[in-house]
Order: sequence, then structure tokens, then C-alpha cells
Amino acid sequence: NAGVTQTPKFRVLKTGQSMTLLCAQDMNHEYMYWYRQDPGMGLRLIHYSVGEGTTAKGEVPDGYNVSRLKKQNFLLGLESAAPSQTSVYFCASSMALDSGPYNEQFFGPGTRLTVL
Amino acid sequence: DQQVKQNSPSLSVQEGRISILNCDYTNSMFDYFLWYKKYPAEGPTFLISISSIKDKNEDGRFTVFLNKSAKHLSLHIVPSQPGDSAVYFCAARVVFNDMRFGAGTRLTVKP
Repeated sequence: NAGVTQTPKFRVLKTGQSMTLLCAQDMNHEYMYWYRQDPGMGLRLIHYSVGEGTTAKGEVPDGYNVSRLKKQNFLLGLESAAPSQTSVYFCASSMALDSGPYNEQFFGPGTRLTVL
Repeated sequence: DQQVKQNSPSLSVQEGRISILNCDYTNSMFDYFLWYKKYPAEGPTFLISISSIKDKNEDGRFTVFLNKSAKHLSLHIVPSQPGDSAVYFCAARVVFNDMRFGAGTRLTVKP
């Protein structure tokens, strides 16, 4: 099992460009998440999904859109990138909440994005 | 507004000794606390958790202590090993989709 994979690993964008980050999981997890990590700060939740076709906003959703057309994939889009979106992005997945008390999240290796 | 704080960005200990990583929180509604470990170029991996109704949870060399009155938790690693060198994140959960992470503490275990 590959677990959670993220594509690409690195990307450099110019301000105003758009891009999509792809997350894939092969654990048949119901829930998927996108986080960003910035220096001196913990991971912050951008958007999440509780199932195919559903998405919801997290703590810092502005400037991002997401889609979950297939259960195993969760896409994060930046329509018009800004330097403030320079960060490391982590995708995670977990079983549904009723599968356990604290739904352990499994993380991908991250995507390092730089916006110039 | 950081609801979960790890005030020590780094910690260095000798192999075989105890490592103590600390975490403070402000939200009394957190129901679960978790520790994640992260190696360079990898995503965080779950290490150990504790429910807010407990004050201690042990798993091998790892023990997490929760002091609700002080809103403080700590992770003890005994004995520390060089392979434990990583960044440790404290996380706290209100509901499944509201997990707050600390900024992390980089642990270095010297042989």
C-alpha cells in the first residue's frame, strides 16, 4: 500500500498563476484533509471532505478550492496564487469518525510550494 | 490565535536519557490530544493519543501525561534513542474536523 501520496513534491509559481495539487489515498478512507504548514506555526486545516462529492471549509480556506470527485482523490486548487500561499501543503486521510475515538490521520509527504 | 502552543522549538538530549516535550493549550473543549512525529521530507505520523478523561497513556517507551487543570500535556520518551530525532507536533481536537496543531519541537538525541 502506498498510503497517502501527493503530486507534485515541489512547485514554483508566479503570482497570479493557478495550479492544482493532487492527493491520493489507497486505504479506502472516508475523510480527507488539506493542511498548510508555515514556519513557526502548526499545521492549519484549509479544507476537508467527509466523503465523495462533499467538501467543507477549515480554518484557513480563503484563496483555495477543493474537489472530491472520487473517494480516493482530493484536489486542492489555487486559482490565482499569491506570495502568502508559499507554504508546505500536507494532505491527510482518516477513517470515518464512528470507526474509532480519535480518527487517526495519515499524512502524505507534503508539497513545497513557492509563489514568487 | 494559537490554541495549542509548544514553547520549546528545540530540545537536545543524550541517548538513553529521558526526553520531555511539552505542550500547552487554551481551549477547554478539546476532547482528544495527540502527538505526531515528523521526519524530514515525510508527512507527520501518529505516535500516541490521550482522551481528555484520562491523565496518562503509555505505549512502550512513550508516555503522554495530561494535566487538565493546568491545560498542559507532555510526552515522555524513555529511554531516548537516536532514531527518535524528529519534529514532534502536539495536536488537540474539538471535533474530527477541528484539529489544532502546535508549531512543533525538534528533538535531537545525541549518541
